[in-house]
Amino acid sequence: GEDVEQSLFLSVREGDSSVINCTYTDSSSTYLYWYKQEPGAGLQLLTYIFSNMDMKQDQRLTVLLNKKDKHLSLRIADTQTGDSAIYFCAERSDSGYSTLTFGKGTMLLVSP
Amino acid sequence: GAVVSQHPSRVICKSGTSVKIECRSLDFQATTMFWYRQFPKQSLMLMATSNEGSKATYEQGVEKDKFLINHASLTLSTLTVTSAHPEDSSFYICSPNNAKGAGEQFFGPGTRLTVL
Repeated sequence: GEDVEQSLFLSVREGDSSVINCTYTDSSSTYLYWYKQEPGAGLQLLTYIFSNMDMKQDQRLTVLLNKKDKHLSLRIADTQTGDSAIYFCAERSDSGYSTLTFGKGTMLLVSP
Repeated sequence: GAVVSQHPSRVICKSGTSVKIECRSLDFQATTMFWYRQFPKQSLMLMATSNEGSKATYEQGVEKDKFLINHASLTLSTLTVTSAHPEDSSFYICSPNNAKGAGEQFFGPGTRLTVL
């Protein structure tokens, strides 16, 4: 079945850039997602990218997709302490009817 | 983005009781509802998928008689945990879908269930 892998932990200093990486195995992935989860809260959709795109930028967030290597990354510029959370990568392999397959999440810790 | 609510946000119950969790999609019609469970420090695990007006499809290892799902309308789905036990303590999250959002997939705020 599909598999999504992420590193478990990332620590950065406030003001630096953070890069969270994700790899997936499903070559038919159509959409790839990044979600943020703060303690005790649900999942907040940060951004998503369609598989025919290489890059998507939204304010401080930049998503890069290397479809050949099945590698997705999320770059957060000027990381703030409020960005500390767990970040989940997810993929969907059709036009929108199926569920998402999630990675295990990357805990981002931003220190002052 | 879509507005999704869940009620209650937190519930504590005694072992053996049943708990109903409501999920509402407030601004679009959810033809499909995904129900997930998340244990501490783990990722989301899909429990079941329900389509409005029909029976839910459960993932392997999820007991359909224990986790009753009702999806009677396009804006409301419910998950009832019957005869809850401590091992059912978890964070339950719903995610409505109508396959019209050009890829967007939103999630409810979650319900924290603690069974004593």
